[in-house]
Amino acid sequence: NAGVTQTPKFQVLKTGQSMTLQCAQDMNHEYMSWYRQDPGMGLRLIHYSVGAGITDQGEVPNGYNVSRSTTEDFPLRLLSAAPSQTSVYFCASSYSNQGDQPQHFGDGTRLSIL
Amino acid sequence: SQQGEEDPQALSIQEGENATMNCSYKTSINNLQWYRQNSGRGLVHLILIRSNEREKHSGRLRVTLDTSKKSSSLLITASRAADTASYFCATGDYGNNRLAFGKGNQVVVIP
Repeated sequence: NAGVTQTPKFQVLKTGQSMTLQCAQDMNHEYMSWYRQDPGMGLRLIHYSVGAGITDQGEVPNGYNVSRSTTEDFPLRLLSAAPSQTSVYFCASSYSNQGDQPQHFGDGTRLSIL
Repeated sequence: SQQGEEDPQALSIQEGENATMNCSYKTSINNLQWYRQNSGRGLVHLILIRSNEREKHSGRLRVTLDTSKKSSSLLITASRAADTASYFCATGDYGNNRLAFGKGNQVVVIP
């Protein structure tokens, strides 16, 4: 049982480039979310999904897009990378309501934007 | 939005000692969760305590919740070097469908 898998683990981009961070879970969880972790800031919610075809914005959604075409996958897209998006990105999933259940995290994608 | 805030921010202890860290929050909650993060890894769920519970145990972990003071504490007894990690509290509200994380508390256990 792999849990939550994130790829890539590391990535360096130039300002203005685009990329997609992948997230997949094999636990049949309905709820999935993306966080960014910056020093001294804790984890901040970017976008989340309560099921296939349904997404919503979190605390810091600007500059990021998401889609949820299947239960298993929840990719995060950076359309035009900016240095302020240098961070560690975590994907998480939970069985049901994210405010009421433990979340399962991937090991993160460390993203640097030059 | 509600947010957990851990205190103290950093803690260094000898192996075998107990480690206590606190979390405060600002609004009403349905539950409070504690997570551990080892260096370079994702967060791992430790324990969830609901608003109608006052204390919960899991192995060497003891969590208390005081809703009147809007605070929680995590106690790790008989610490081990492997307990070296960052610990985060997160507050949950069923209606908001999300968790709000604190900034984390770094614990170093010296062998």
